Amino acid sequence: GQSLEQPSEVTAVEGAIVQINCTYQTSGFYGLSWYQQHDGGAPTFLSYNALDGLEETGRFSSFLSRSDSYGYLLLQELQMKDSASYFCAVRAGGFKTIFGAGTRLFVKA
Amino acid sequence: ETGVTQTPRHLVMGMTNKKSLKCEQHLGHNAMYWYKQSAKKPLELMFVYSLEERVENNSVPSRFSPECPNSSHLFLHLHTLQPEDSALYLCASSQSRGAIDEQFFGPGTRLTVL
Repeated sequence: GQSLEQPSEVTAVEGAIVQINCTYQTSGFYGLSWYQQHDGGAPTFLSYNALDGLEETGRFSSFLSRSDSYGYLLLQELQMKDSASYFCAVRAGGFKTIFGAGTRLFVKA
Repeated sequence: ETGVTQTPRHLVMGMTNKKSLKCEQHLGHNAMYWYKQSAKKPLELMFVYSLEERVENNSVPSRFSPECPNSSHLFLHLHTLQPEDSALYLCASSQSRGAIDEQFFGPGTRLTVL
């Protein structure tokens, strides 16, 4: 089957750095995306990696290793507003997007 | 209105009712998606329309019927639903063939089936 694995919960303190890992097993792969979703809100796009390496966007970075079927989202200088759920998603082919179950990030003061 | 809008935001229906969810995107995109989000589970892709043609249909029960009359509007028609269909239904849009797979989501419709 097709699946994405990511931790269910992560807790970190304000100002710290946190890494959320995602491993995937899919029949096809075009790229790995990350989305943020606050409680009661819509998922919002954070980043997309189609090729190996690190993509940086402000405090957030995303990494992909296609040979390891692995990626991560790195959040730096954590703020309380970063408390949310984070989803990795694989574009598996055509318009098929497969999501992970999400990682709940708790940022403590 | 900007972005992706969905109506209604909340819906309670009996198992014998017929209702429709509406999604509208104001981004000029040419692909639209329906997802189901249940607690503690991954978002499940239900349907995808590209240029008003259905291009993905992920083994969704026939009690869910999508409709895409034009590139800006997407509907999900519901009939004889089951309690396990209670979930958040999210609509999304994107520009197909873009270099980056970025989907823009609406706020969702919280559906409760009694």
